[in-house]
Amino acid sequence: GQNIDQPTEMTATEGAIVQINCTYQTSGFNGLFWYQQHAGEAPTFLSYNVLDGLEEKGRFSSFLSRSKGYSYLLLKELQMKDSASYLCAAMDSNYQLIWGAGTKLIIKP
Amino acid sequence: IAGITQAPTSQILAAGRRMTLRCTQDMRHNAMYWYRQDLGLGLRLIHYSNTAGTTGKGEVPDGYSVSRANTDDFPLTLASAVPSQTSVYFCASSDSDRGTDTGELFFGEGSRLTVL
Repeated sequence: GQNIDQPTEMTATEGAIVQINCTYQTSGFNGLFWYQQHAGEAPTFLSYNVLDGLEEKGRFSSFLSRSKGYSYLLLKELQMKDSASYLCAAMDSNYQLIWGAGTKLIIKP
Repeated sequence: IAGITQAPTSQILAAGRRMTLRCTQDMRHNAMYWYRQDLGLGLRLIHYSNTAGTTGKGEVPDGYSVSRANTDDFPLTLASAVPSQTSVYFCASSDSDRGTDTGELFFGEGSRLTVL
């Protein structure tokens, strides 16, 4: 079956760095997405990886290893506004998105 | 402001009633989607539409129907609501078919539905 695994909750300190991991199993693979979702709001796009390696976009970076079925989202210089859920989603061979349950990130001062 | 508009924002509904959730986008995106989001679960696709006039079933289509008469509108109907349909419903669009290759999904703000 198809499956996405990511931690349920993580806690980090303002100004620090946090890495949110995601492992996936899909029938075929057409890319890995990360979305941010603040409580009570809509998900918003953060990143897309289809090739192995690291994609950097400001304070956020996303990494993909296709051979390991693994991705991570790296958040640097954490700010209180980064408190949110982070959703990992993998696209299968039919271009269907398989979503993880999300990782709730709590930032403490 | 360009984007996706959903209505209602929230609704409490008696079991057995019919309910239509509205979704309108002004980005001229071809593809539109309805997801439900439940605590502890990932977003689950209910129905989708690759282009006006066509629709398809997602992962959890039972009890729901959709129509796509034009590019902008994609309403979701619950013919006879049941308590298990209590959820937050998100409408989304993209400018590619069946998800995105390098693009992204744009989500509406969600409709919180409670079925009693």
